[in-house]
Amino acid sequence: QVQLVESGGGVVQPGGSLRLSCAASGFTFSSFDMHWVRQAPGKGLEWVAFIRSDESNKYYADSVKGRFTISRDNSKNTLDLQMNSLRTEDTAVYYCAKRKIECTTPDYWGQGTPVIVSS
Amino acid sequence: DIVMTQSPDSLAVSLGERATINCKSSQSVLYNSNNKNYIAWYQQKPGQPPKLLIYWASIRESGVPDRFSGSGSGTDFTLTISTLQAEDVAVYYCQQYYATSTWTFGQGTKVEIK
Repeated sequence: QVQLVESGGGVVQPGGSLRLSCAASGFTFSSFDMHWVRQAPGKGLEWVAFIRSDESNKYYADSVKGRFTISRDNSKNTLDLQMNSLRTEDTAVYYCAKRKIECTTPDYWGQGTPVIVSS
Repeated sequence: DIVMTQSPDSLAVSLGERATINCKSSQSVLYNSNNKNYIAWYQQKPGQPPKLLIYWASIRESGVPDRFSGSGSGTDFTLTISTLQAEDVAVYYCQQYYATSTWTFGQGTKVEIK
């Protein structure tokens, strides 16, 4: 079955960096586009970034553009999110999610990894 | 960007009764070439990741109970839970995937038992 396991979250000071990873299994990772979505404490869902299966296109929310970089390693079945210049408003649980075959919306989600940006 | 607005923000429904959640997009999410509405609905229970319920506005994801249904077209959409069960207590989100490079969610609707 599809499994997505995020890691790399933690506490970081404003202006700092963090790299999140998502280990995928149970499906042909190299065939699927992937998303990162976040959720601030007590708040709703916010889409963060998207990457095509072959890395041909990458898209970002305006709130993270220029600071975050999405990447993948299809040989290792891993998805990454490099987060630089972190702000307190980046505090959230970060989910990786696989897109559905029929459309680009996410179908399977990981359990998430928490990121806390605080001094 | 396409803005998704849900109503109400919360609702309390008696067990066995109908729950209706509305979602309005700031522009049409109906793609004329395939006549499909690029809308999905998610359910999120506390401490869990979101679960996909509905895509293409009205297609139930595999394994989703048939008491969940989606309807609407263009800019106005509805998620209906026909007979509310205790396990349906959750926050529900609509999401558009019409825009080529952005995916936006509504603010969420919290469903509770009256």
